[in-house]
Formats: sequence, C-alpha cells, structure tokens
Amino acid sequence: QQQVKQSPQSLIVQKGGIPIINCAYENTAFDYFPWYQQFPGKGPALLIAIRPDVSEKKEGRFTISFNKSAKQFSLHIMDSQPGDSATYFCAASPPPLTQGGSEKLVFGKGTKLTVNP
Amino acid sequence: DAGVTQSPTHLIKTRGQQVTLRCSPKSGHDTVSWYQQALGQGPQFIFQYYEEEERQRGNFPDRFSGHQFPNYSSELNVNALLLGDSALYLCASSLLPGRYNEQFFGPGTRLTVL
Repeated sequence: QQQVKQSPQSLIVQKGGIPIINCAYENTAFDYFPWYQQFPGKGPALLIAIRPDVSEKKEGRFTISFNKSAKQFSLHIMDSQPGDSATYFCAASPPPLTQGGSEKLVFGKGTKLTVNP
Repeated sequence: DAGVTQSPTHLIKTRGQQVTLRCSPKSGHDTVSWYQQALGQGPQFIFQYYEEEERQRGNFPDRFSGHQFPNYSSELNVNALLLGDSALYLCASSLLPGRYNEQFFGPGTRLTVL
C-alpha cells in the first residue's frame, strides 16, 4: 500500500521555469512533510520540510504549499537552474513516539527533474 | 563536521551469501535508521536503532537484522541474499531531542546480488 503518491514521474523545464511536484497522502496521522533532493550516486539531502500548522513555507528558491483538507502538498522551485536537475522525493511521517526519536519516513516514488539551459 | 558515512561504497555478492553494511551517524546524532532504495524507487524503511535497540521495523523479513554500538554506529546484516535484495542501502541519522524528525542520509552502499 503506497501511502504517499507523487507526480509527475519526470519533468523537463527550461532554465528560469518553475517546476511543480505534487504529493498526496492518505494517513491523517502524518504531521511532518519533508522534501529530499537526490543526485545520482548520492544519498537524499533534506531540502525543506513543513508541518500542517502552516500552509506555505519558503526557503530560498524552494517553496512548499500544503493543503491539509485535501491531504496534498507540493514543491515549487523558483527560477530553476540546470544544477537543480536531480530526483526529488516527498516524504511524510507521523509524530515521534512519546519515548522520543524520529519516526520512519514514508517516501513517494520520486520525480526526475531536468532543467535545460 | 562529518556527515553520515557508510561503508563499503559498493558490494557484489551471490545468492545465498550474507552481507554486513556499516554506518557512522552524523556527529552528535544518536538514532540510526536504515532504508532500502530499489532502482527508480523511493527509499523504504527497514528499521531504526536507538539506545542500541531496534525501536521500530518496516515490512522486511527476519533475514534483515541490525545492531547499534555504544558509539551510535550501526550495522545492517542481510542473510541468505536474494536477487531482489539488490539495491542502494541508505543509513540516516537523527538526534533525540532535536529538530523535528530531521533525518540526514549517507551516500549509501550499492549492493548487487548475482
């Protein structure tokens, strides 16, 4: 059962464009939604994350929009650059257990972004 | 400040063999999670270690086991390897208490089972 659905599978934009990647989740217990960027041969790197108490979060050129009622969230990359070409993963997790520690992340299947010069 | 490190980088094994992968968490982190990433897929949670104990586990068979040492480093062991175990194995570390669920990933170990 896939708990986080990500689309599109691949995306090609021109430099300066604004690619948008969408994710939908099913588990209403999820309350942490990070986005990871992964380059070939590397591990995923945390880009930006949001919790459901806000509808939007910006960090540099990256923006997360969150719609709690629709159980959807999306990543926007402003003024995209060829160096942004990578695979992007959305993820979700429930709150930590009372004993503490991190909860497991449930990932989408990824979106391969290509930004042409 | 060293990030998460994993060894080896690549590994080739044959079916039925056993393998051990290693992970050193980011400095100051005490929790280690392991993920399996098949080609073209998102990472899938295997299990998590905290205070040298398996704290939670994903939907993986008992052939997958692990260990955490007093210095917080961790090992992932896979027995009776199958062709389907070929994947990138990722280690992620985090801190309790710390920033909410923020997990930092290592570069991974690429396991090929022939």
